[in-house]
Amino acid sequence: DIQMTQSPSSLPASLGDRVTITCRASQDIGNYLRWFQQKPGKSPRLMIYGATNLAAGVPSRFSGSRSGSDYSLTINSLESEDMAIYYCLQHNEYPWTFGGGTKLELK
Amino acid sequence: QVQLKESGPGLVQPSQTLSLTCTVSGFSLTSYSVHWVRQHSGKSLEWMGRMWSDGDTSYNSAFTSRLSISRDTSKSQVFLKMNSLQTEDTGTYYCARAIFDYWGQGVMVTVSS
Repeated sequence: DIQMTQSPSSLPASLGDRVTITCRASQDIGNYLRWFQQKPGKSPRLMIYGATNLAAGVPSRFSGSRSGSDYSLTINSLESEDMAIYYCLQHNEYPWTFGGGTKLELK
Repeated sequence: QVQLKESGPGLVQPSQTLSLTCTVSGFSLTSYSVHWVRQHSGKSLEWMGRMWSDGDTSYNSAFTSRLSISRDTSKSQVFLKMNSLQTEDTGTYYCARAIFDYWGQGVMVTVSS
């Protein structure tokens, strides 16, 4: 199975900060990478697809990038509504696998 | 509008079979696939399997032969059946459309005697 190693697991940050979350794939997954946001008691929300494409309705302060086997989600100018857990998902090869999650919280 | 809703028993006894239903609206099961995803409490997500729009299925091998996904297109429903349940199968089960653009609210399942 493809392992998605997500870091950090916890990320304290202040409002207005620029933060970056990373997933490293254990094998080549091309751009078959999605990012999700999950708030407590809620279902995950698709944020980024195709590694770099913003999903419908997602604020432009979110962006996705790729460098080799490292995939990053960046949030510019952090807002309070961005506090959540973020997960990556590779869908290049079965079984599709998620990263372990990054909890973004206020410092 | 697009909606998915999971339903099923909240409590299942160990070694028994879990049966969940995902009822969709706002789209056709013959046009979009539907996934099942599990989340243990406080843990990450686990992709379980997929019902394709043509009726084919794909499964996570971690569930080997325990898992079965089927559908009734006339009722816009996708079904998950998983047997030989253990306490480790406790968690929230979600269904989600195709590219994961829409999710159900999830159903919490507890495996306990």
